[in-house]
Amino acid sequence: NAGVTQTPKFQVLKTGQSMTLQCAQDMNHEYMSWYRQDPGMGLRLIHYSVGAGITDQGEVPNGYNVSRSTTEDFPLRLLSAAPSQTSVYFCASSFLRTGGGYGYTFGSGTRLTVV
Amino acid sequence: GDSVTQMEGPVTLSEEAFLTINCTYTATGYPSLFWYVQYPGEGLQLLLKATKADDKGSNKGFEATYRKETTSFHLEKGSVQVSDSAVYFCALDSGAGSYQLTFGKGTKLSVIP
Repeated sequence: NAGVTQTPKFQVLKTGQSMTLQCAQDMNHEYMSWYRQDPGMGLRLIHYSVGAGITDQGEVPNGYNVSRSTTEDFPLRLLSAAPSQTSVYFCASSFLRTGGGYGYTFGSGTRLTVV
Repeated sequence: GDSVTQMEGPVTLSEEAFLTINCTYTATGYPSLFWYVQYPGEGLQLLLKATKADDKGSNKGFEATYRKETTSFHLEKGSVQVSDSAVYFCALDSGAGSYQLTFGKGTKLSVIP
């Protein structure tokens, strides 16, 4: 099925460990982004990409790295996990609609706990 | 910068009650406006959207009208069901070249039989 696939769905890390959250889309969308969802905070943008080889920071980028070597994949790396990074992470891809405005497709999320 | 403010929750309603969740925004340019819904344990689903002033988005009995004069996009439903229990997020993208969403903090709705 076409869409945005995130792995893993759940992860527990120890403080200081590193890991990569995977995100892949098969819709050939140019734009991809990562959000984190925290209680009472809504979703906040971490990093985004406007195409292969191009990335930029969002609202809360500290402690995270991204790269975009292909159109399909946009992994999010936690360099040294901290308890403050306990959150639910959503990847999204977006595209410009022919009728105007943007469409957004979200993955099902990764629930990360840092202990 | 862009921002979205939506009413604080949680909101608890009886089945068949009328629902309004207020949403106001601040944005430059000509934003598109969205309502997303998150059911317990699930990801985000687009509920409805509007791309220009006076547009009305509707889906599953929910409606919201893009009011530029009041910078609002309030969500309404005439008769809620238990299955509508979820968290609702108002969001915007600021238009040309944006391709990113700015979200409100979410409103948790519980509908009791």
